[in-house]
Amino acid sequence: GAGVSQSPSNKVTEKGKDVELRCDPISGHTALYWYRQSLGQGLEFLIYFQGNSAPDKSGLPSDRFSAERTGGSVSTLTIQRTQQEDSAVYLCASSSASGGGKTQYFGPGTRLLVL
Amino acid sequence: AQSVAQPEDQVNVAEGNPLTVKCTYSVSGNPYLFWYVQYPNRGLQFLLKYITGDNLVKGSYGFEAEFNKSQTSFHLKKPSALVSDSALYFCAVRDGDNNDMRFGAGTRLTVKP
Repeated sequence: GAGVSQSPSNKVTEKGKDVELRCDPISGHTALYWYRQSLGQGLEFLIYFQGNSAPDKSGLPSDRFSAERTGGSVSTLTIQRTQQEDSAVYLCASSSASGGGKTQYFGPGTRLLVL
Repeated sequence: AQSVAQPEDQVNVAEGNPLTVKCTYSVSGNPYLFWYVQYPNRGLQFLLKYITGDNLVKGSYGFEAEFNKSQTSFHLKKPSALVSDSALYFCAVRDGDNNDMRFGAGTRLTVKP
């Protein structure tokens, strides 16, 4: 079946502009995660959605970052007034449910470059 | 809070030799441990995980990992490395049922012919 998909694959924007990144999880997966991967570093947790529960936003680095998940499926990560330090690869992952042992399956990522 | 460390930024091995990529973790509860591989310009691909039970976990592409509770380690191993195994490897840990999973900084594995 189809895996996690993300769009766009690459995004170049100017400092101060807003960007939207999209994630389509695996069909039927109720849990969805966003991560940020900066060059040469590991993954930084941003936000987590599980079903209809309130999202866990504890990893969002500033109030310029927000995310929503419509209809329990597609998610959009929005970065307002982008800064150069926002340049990174943004990865989305989904799993069949929450819980410690559930495997997350990752999309190919969106590479964001802020000039 | 949970954390994970990958002490080696880079591991180089010759094709056909055994490989080990090290990972140590810290949790306050029960650990759930994962290994992922990332090829250039791709997302992370799941290799294997430890939840409970047998300490030796076998995964994709001939990889395996051994959970060692006393040493709080979960090293990734393969008996005979392939050039195609060259990639970036991430260890990750989740502490019980916490929502977020902590990833190590990654280890770049290079297998030379």
